[in-house]
Amino acid sequence: KQEVTQIPAALSVPEGENLVLNCSFTDSAIYNLQWFRQDPGKGLTSLLLIQSSQREQTSGRLNASLDKSSGRSTLYIAASQPGDSATYLCAVAALSGYALNFGKGTSLLVTP
Amino acid sequence: NAGVTQTPKFRVLKTGQSMTLLCAQDMNHEYMYWYRQDPGMGLRLIHYSVGEGTTAKGEVPDGYNVSRLKKQNFLLGLESAAPSQTSVYFCASSYPADATGQGSIQYFGAGTRLSVL
Repeated sequence: KQEVTQIPAALSVPEGENLVLNCSFTDSAIYNLQWFRQDPGKGLTSLLLIQSSQREQTSGRLNASLDKSSGRSTLYIAASQPGDSATYLCAVAALSGYALNFGKGTSLLVTP
Repeated sequence: NAGVTQTPKFRVLKTGQSMTLLCAQDMNHEYMYWYRQDPGMGLRLIHYSVGEGTTAKGEVPDGYNVSRLKKQNFLLGLESAAPSQTSVYFCASSYPADATGQGSIQYFGAGTRLSVL
């Protein structure tokens, strides 16, 4: 069974800092990896999707990398802002292409 | 753009009652999913569907049933609710993997918060 782990579980940084969120998974046989953002009491918003054949994806201040062989992904957030405060979830798609296996998330607080 | 819409947003049930959660998507997606989110457990897949008229079990299917009679709708039913089913339920949808095997983004609804007393 695919296990997805996210470290750290919680993170507090001052505004303007660059930060890295980590995700690891146990089975490298994946279709893709997705990073989501979840605001309190809300649904999930997809931030980036990295296909298994790709090494990284970028969107604005966000950059996600994937090292499938070592079972790791990182989400880099540049110049953090208070509006970035949320829980960030990493999810790995099984080879069937259907199910997403989620980590438990990193709760990020960016203070002004 | 409505995207993925879940109804109801909140519900309180007594043990043994039944209810149906409705998920509707307007993106013409083939695949639809039901997840539950519990503190300390993350999101877990309950059931999914790869097309109209087809459903399959996920990681935690016991106590739930689903139906996909129309492509745009995916229903999750609780026949006899139990306190262990207190959770936040999320529906999601996506396109299938493309011809090269590339998977696609899953789009999520806002969730249904269910309490079973």
